[in-house]
Amino acid sequence: QSALTQPRSVSGSPGQSVTISCTGTSSDVGGYDYVSWYQQYPGKAPKLMISAVRHRPSGVPDRFSGSKSGNTASLTISGLQADDEADYYCCSYADSSTPVLFGGGTKLTVL
Amino acid sequence: EVQVLESGGGLVQPGGSVRLSCAASGFTFSRYAMSWVRQAPGKGLEWVSAISGSGDRTYNADSVKGRFTVSRDNSQNTLYLQMNSLRAEDTAVYYCARGDVVEVTASVFDPWGQGTLVTVSS
Repeated sequence: QSALTQPRSVSGSPGQSVTISCTGTSSDVGGYDYVSWYQQYPGKAPKLMISAVRHRPSGVPDRFSGSKSGNTASLTISGLQADDEADYYCCSYADSSTPVLFGGGTKLTVL
Repeated sequence: EVQVLESGGGLVQPGGSVRLSCAASGFTFSRYAMSWVRQAPGKGLEWVSAISGSGDRTYNADSVKGRFTVSRDNSQNTLYLQMNSLRAEDTAVYYCARGDVVEVTASVFDPWGQGTLVTVSS
């Protein structure tokens, strides 16, 4: 089972908005609302930012939002800040022999 | 505070075995599914295994099927990963993470531990 497809890198200036895409198939992202997003700083453990496509856990700023259209999920970060610079991973349930898939990760650079 | 803490990593020879542990605290352990996720050096995240709250259902990635076994001891609030027939490509930081209360494979992992490094090399 292939990993979900994310852009390797995105960038934006402070205050701007960026969107990170996560493309799968109808057997994973497109077929279920079990899509989540994780933020990871170098050398640190990942942190849950979005669950169930668009649910934001308590403590996560409302600058982070999730959505889905067809087989592609998206994470949008508005009002970009310097400490948003990190790696971001999407994750989805998959109707396959490997039932959980991660994306390859996207490095966000704040210019 | 909800916490999970891994231990048991180290240097292992190819073909060897190791057991990882994950001690949980701050929540009712038996209510939650638990998962293992790994990250090879400089690479992305890869889900490895998951187990239901009661321990009656387990799931594994194709890459580890037949070699890794996930288990739990709810009386000790501890999750385990028995890793056998280890290969160089299993070298990674292994993270323990709390899952969902309902769906074992709901892809919700929160929180994560700090990880434990397993290096497979002769």
